[in-house]
Amino acid sequence: DAKTTQPNSMESNEEEPVHLPCNHSTISGTDYIHWYRQLPSQGPEYVIHGLTSNVNNRMASLAIAEDRKSSTLILHRATLRDAAVYYCILRPPTNFGNEKLTFGTGTRLTIIP
Amino acid sequence: NAGVTQTPKFQVLKTGQSMTLQCAQDMNHNSMYWYRQDPGMGLRLIYYSASEGTTDKGEVPNGYNVSRLNKREFSLRLESAAPSQTSVYFCASTLNPLGNTEAFFGQGTRLTVV
Repeated sequence: DAKTTQPNSMESNEEEPVHLPCNHSTISGTDYIHWYRQLPSQGPEYVIHGLTSNVNNRMASLAIAEDRKSSTLILHRATLRDAAVYYCILRPPTNFGNEKLTFGTGTRLTIIP
Repeated sequence: NAGVTQTPKFQVLKTGQSMTLQCAQDMNHNSMYWYRQDPGMGLRLIYYSASEGTTDKGEVPNGYNVSRLNKREFSLRLESAAPSQTSVYFCASTLNPLGNTEAFFGQGTRLTVV
């Protein structure tokens, strides 16, 4: 399975943009890039996903490098509520032997008031 | 819309006791997953069910069994609990195993084995 690498922790000031990086140098051409976050004492929640093009939704933006070997989750204006562990994972497109949904250790984001 | 519901939310077991963690989803999803999360750690996949009628081992299946009771329900059983199984357990579901579908998680079951 293709692996992802994320920094263990990051800090950001409240009301400033946050850029969370993820490296996935062994990504296959058809793997989807997913981001989830886990708030304290809660289950993970979906944030965003993409394949090749940059993606935006109400929560965040996903910027995908042209070679797809890295991606960046962008929180445009961090709030205290965004303090969480952020997971970057890869999901293959088919279900032939690739049904697993596996997570790494993620990046713990701390927001400074 | 309840999403993914886990019961119980908290449980304390004595070593050697058995119990079943329940998970149900109301989104008509085909795929369901069980994870454990130890303090300060990431999620580790225990078992998953890509579709009704199938189950497969994940990264850490030893000491656990699962049952995909129907499309809605996926239970996790500890036959003889051990202190090493003290953890928070999360259930998740996706519409299907394909890469472009998002996963929905329950709120977790906090299990302590003494």
